[in-house]
Amino acid sequence: AQKITQTQPGMFVQEKEAVTLDCTYDTSDQSYGLFWYKQPSSGEMIFLIYQGSYDEQNATEGRYSLNFQKARKSANLVISASQLGDSAMYFCAMREEDTGRRALTFGSGTRLQVQP
Amino acid sequence: DVKVTQSSRYLVKRTGEKVFLECVQDMDHENMFWYRQDPGLGLRLIYFSYDVKMKEKGDIPEGYSVSREKKERFSLILESASTNQTSMYLCASKIHSRGPYEQYFGPGTRLTVT
Repeated sequence: AQKITQTQPGMFVQEKEAVTLDCTYDTSDQSYGLFWYKQPSSGEMIFLIYQGSYDEQNATEGRYSLNFQKARKSANLVISASQLGDSAMYFCAMREEDTGRRALTFGSGTRLQVQP
Repeated sequence: DVKVTQSSRYLVKRTGEKVFLECVQDMDHENMFWYRQDPGLGLRLIYFSYDVKMKEKGDIPEGYSVSREKKERFSLILESASTNQTSMYLCASKIHSRGPYEQYFGPGTRLTVT
């Protein structure tokens, strides 16, 4: 089974609108962390936001928020007030802490295009 | 400012050549990683190192080896490059601790094997 599933290969959004990028995960670990990264066309990976499995509040960082639904094993990224510069690939990733796996497991990504 | 650098942004090699990809971090991080990125597959872990001279295989280690002789430097080696190793290679580093510590990525090396 896929550890991280991103079902939206591509998304379009109008400038200034909000957009939700979906991410579901699969793990038997009790302690894990969920991450979102942005990859613009230049190729660098930019860390956006983190959610720990024991965090009770949804994480927020500026215009980014993570809609964490633990029972559903989903960790959707919400971008409010989209800007043209938000056009990029977005990756959801997980680190499983109980198994001691130090690396991240990534989803296949969602390409977001913000239209003027 | 945090920095992970990779020796080349673009590389073109011939089938059968030995290829070295170098990664250097200046953050004194214990953990370093090599991923490859392919369209539709996301990033997949090739190898990681949790200390000098220590390494563990990732999810797709076949055809690759690694070397970590100094804490700041982690090299990925393609012993005999093949066309199916044409890909984007990303190096990352992280501190050793559990918790909300993200991985810092280098700019990537786009390798083409002809």
